[in-house]
Amino acid sequence: DSGVTQTPKHLITATGQRVTLRCSPRSGDLSVYWYQQSLDQGLQFLIQYYNGEERAKGNILERFSAQQFPDLHSELNLSSLELGDSALYFCASSVAGGGGTDTQYFGPGTRLTVL
Amino acid sequence: EDKVVQSPLSLVVHEGDTVTLNCSYEVTNFRSLLWYKQEKKAPTFLFMLTSSGIEKKSGRLSSILDKKELSSILNITATQTGDSAIYLCAVGNNDMRFGAGTRLTVKP
Repeated sequence: DSGVTQTPKHLITATGQRVTLRCSPRSGDLSVYWYQQSLDQGLQFLIQYYNGEERAKGNILERFSAQQFPDLHSELNLSSLELGDSALYFCASSVAGGGGTDTQYFGPGTRLTVL
Repeated sequence: EDKVVQSPLSLVVHEGDTVTLNCSYEVTNFRSLLWYKQEKKAPTFLFMLTSSGIEKKSGRLSSILDKKELSSILNITATQTGDSAIYLCAVGNNDMRFGAGTRLTVKP
């Protein structure tokens, strides 16, 4: 158990809908990262927040947005969902803001299925 | 464009064998290379490498970075069935780029 929690574990929804994924980092970690893992794309970095501020952006679609709250939990919002958004969404956390030099601890993931 | 290439994509060995997994990269603003093991769930951290030529070791696993060759290897000696997993390499700064992974299967 990494100490990172994600809810829900599974989510099934329809195309065009909007969903929110939630992540609570390990105690003491200030950075939260979001990743998407699909069969054809592998693990893709989406976005990083550090202490409430956006720190780095990866391959995140405009239909997706995220935020980190004062208590450091984070939410990833996915809207106008398409079939291709079906994937496993991981959240990871690290102590500081340097994603490349901090060990990232991954949560168990949220499996999103868009029908 | 930044890229991380892992090889082989898939590997099947028998218990007791030694394996070497490769990761090569082309990224801007390199700060570190990380290795993760992913079984059925989330990736778990193995190593972080920032300096060239310094081997990191944990039990039967070891890894080394070659910044001149822009590559890293992950060695697993005396493999066990529990080593069966996908091994992921990630490189970069804040924008971590992952390779496609090497799927290792260790047969009894």
